[in-house]
Amino acid sequence: QQQVKQSPQSLIVQKGGISIINCAYENTAFDYFPWYQQFPGKGPALLIAIRPDVSEKKEGRFTISFNKSAKQFSLHIMDSQPGDSATYFCAASPEGGSRLTFGEGTQLTVNP
Amino acid sequence: KAGVTQTPRYLIKTRGQQVTLSCSPISGHRSVSWYQQTPGQGLQFLFEYFSETQRNKGNFPGRFSGRQFSNSRSEMNVSTLELGDSALYLCASSWVGGQPQHFGDGTRLSIL
Repeated sequence: QQQVKQSPQSLIVQKGGISIINCAYENTAFDYFPWYQQFPGKGPALLIAIRPDVSEKKEGRFTISFNKSAKQFSLHIMDSQPGDSATYFCAASPEGGSRLTFGEGTQLTVNP
Repeated sequence: KAGVTQTPRYLIKTRGQQVTLSCSPISGHRSVSWYQQTPGQGLQFLFEYFSETQRNKGNFPGRFSGRQFSNSRSEMNVSTLELGDSALYLCASSWVGGQPQHFGDGTRLSIL
C-alpha cells in the first residue's frame, strides 16, 4: 500500500514535443506529490509539487495533473528540450510527513 | 544560499568495515532525511531526524544508524558493511519537517 507505480520506464521524445510521465498510488494517506529531476552524478532536484485539493498545477513548461478519485497523477513537459534529458521521479508523502515514497523513475531522452 | 552539502562524495570500503557519512542541511532547515538509491531498489527512505531526534525510520537493518547535532548537521553510520550496501546515499533537508525536501548530490559508497 506504500508503493508508487511510475510509467513508462523510459521515454524518447523529439525536441518540441510533449513528454508525459504517469504515476499511481494506493495509500490514501498520501497528501503531497512532488516530482524530482535527476541528472547523472547529481541529487534529485525538486521540479514541481501538488496537493490533492487542486487538479492541476503549472510552472513554466511543467504541469502536474492530479486525479484524486483514480489515485493517479502525471507530469507533462511541454516543448521538451534536449536539456530536459534526465531521470524523473514521482513521489508521495503523507500529510506533514517527511518520508517520501518514490516511483521507479523514468529515463527521458529528448532528441534534437 | 548554499544547498545541502554531503561529504565525502565518494567512498570505497571493504566488507565488514564501517562508514560514516556527513550531511550539512540548508541554513535554517532543521529536518534531515536520508535515502538510499540503487539501480535495483530505486530510492528508499532510511530515516529522518528533527531537533536531534529520530522521528521516522524506514525498513533497513539496525546496521544503519544516524544522528543529528544541535546545529542540524547529520551523520549516517553503516556498520559491518555488505556488498549490497553499495549505493548512492542521499541526504535531504526541509524547513521544519514535511515538505518540500531539497537533496544534496549524495555520497557514492562502493563496497569491495
